[in-house]
Amino acid sequence: QKEVEQNSGPLSVPEGAIASLNCTYSDRGSQSFFWYRQYSGKSPELIMFIYSNGDKEDGRFTAQLNKASQYVSLLIRDSQPSDSATYLCAVRRPGGYNKLIFGAGTRLAVHP
Amino acid sequence: DVKVTQSSRYLVKRTGEKVFLECVQDMDHENMFWYRQDPGLGLRLIYFSYDVKMKEKGDIPEGYSVSREKKERFSLILESASTNQTSMYLCATRDRVGTDTQYFGPGTRLTVL
Repeated sequence: QKEVEQNSGPLSVPEGAIASLNCTYSDRGSQSFFWYRQYSGKSPELIMFIYSNGDKEDGRFTAQLNKASQYVSLLIRDSQPSDSATYLCAVRRPGGYNKLIFGAGTRLAVHP
Repeated sequence: DVKVTQSSRYLVKRTGEKVFLECVQDMDHENMFWYRQDPGLGLRLIYFSYDVKMKEKGDIPEGYSVSREKKERFSLILESASTNQTSMYLCATRDRVGTDTQYFGPGTRLTVL
C-alpha cells in the first residue's frame, strides 16, 4: 500500500463545475496536509494546506480533512480551463524537518 | 518572493559520467531537499539537508550523494550515472516560519544515455 494514494485520472469536468480531488494516507500520525498544483513542464506550487479536521476555504478552493477516515480532499468551485493541471497531495511525516510524502497526482482537465 | 534556481533545465549525460546538479536559494532557508519525479510514482525524496554540512538520506538515496557547503547552495551528485536515473530532478526549500511550505525550483530534466 502506498503511503499517499490518489486516483491518477484524468478527471474531466466542464467549465463552471465543481472538481473534487481525493487523497488517502496510511500513517495515522500524519499532521499536516498540502495540495500542490503542477502545470505540465512546470514545478509544483502550493495552493492549500490544512492541519485540522474540517474544511478550509481559500477563494475557489476548499480543502477538507478527515483524520478518522484518513483522507483529504480538494474541491475547486467554478472550474476554469486554467485549472487544468496535475494536483499533488502531500502529507507530512511525523517527526522533524517537514519530510513530505507525495501522492502520484491526479490530472484534472477542465473543458470549455 | 522565494526564488529557487537550478543550474540546468535540460541535461544529457552518458552512462558512467559523474553528474552535478546545483540548486541555489535566496531566502536564507535552512532546509533544502532533492526529489526526483517519475510518471506514476510522484515525487520521491532523495536527500535533504537541514543545515550547512548536515544531510540526511531520503527514501531513495542509492546512487546519489549531496553537498551543502554554503547555506544557499545544495548540490546533488550522481557518482556514476545510469539509465535508470533518467528523470526530472526537483530541488525545494522549506520555510519554517508561517505556513511550513516547501518551495520548488524549476526542475532539471536529466537524460542518461
